[in-house]
Amino acid sequence: AQKITQTQPGMFVQEKEAVTLDCTYDTSDQSYGLFWYKQPSSGEMIFLIYQGSYDEQNATEGRYSLNFQKARKSANLVISASQLGDSAMYFCAMRGMDSNYQLIWGAGTKLIIKP
Amino acid sequence: DGGITQSPKYLFRKEGQNVTLSCEQNLNHDAMYWYRQDPGQGLRLIYYSQIVNDFQKGDIAEGYSVSREKKESFPLTVTSAQKNPTAFYLCASGQGLYEQYFGPGTRLTVT
Repeated sequence: AQKITQTQPGMFVQEKEAVTLDCTYDTSDQSYGLFWYKQPSSGEMIFLIYQGSYDEQNATEGRYSLNFQKARKSANLVISASQLGDSAMYFCAMRGMDSNYQLIWGAGTKLIIKP
Repeated sequence: DGGITQSPKYLFRKEGQNVTLSCEQNLNHDAMYWYRQDPGQGLRLIYYSQIVNDFQKGDIAEGYSVSREKKESFPLTVTSAQKNPTAFYLCASGQGLYEQYFGPGTRLTVT
């Protein structure tokens, strides 16, 4: 069975510092995709970044990068130079054949950026 | 603008009433999804549809029903059989194996 684990329920980070949000996954699929979403207090889910299991390079999108360590089955999100607007819930998700290609979601990490 | 709309943003109902949540997308995506989110929790899949006139149950389909008569529309009905319907409901659409895009959500309160 597939599973996503986010071990940090909450984090406080000083503005302008970099932050790493942890995500580990479990799957027996050879081909899968990993996603990160941001959910501000307003509720909408905002797609941030995607990493395919066969991608050799770590994905990057602006201030977001995904630290993909396949052997360790981890897909941590790194936010560089954090801003107050980064305060939100962050969810890691995975899609693979085992789940009939549906997204499997982690429980989320609440990130609070301190001024 | 391309996107997903959900209406209404807030919805209040009395216990025992059915209620239908709207979801429309103009992204030309084949697949559409309904999720439920309870406070402090992650997302749980209620129903999904990969093609018009076809849909499958997700992890928590009991007490819910859907239809997919048009590619753009995927309404969700919360029936009186749903034991604990108060929650935040999110609709999403996607294409192939890539990311899903979400609507703004509907907060349903049943008293």
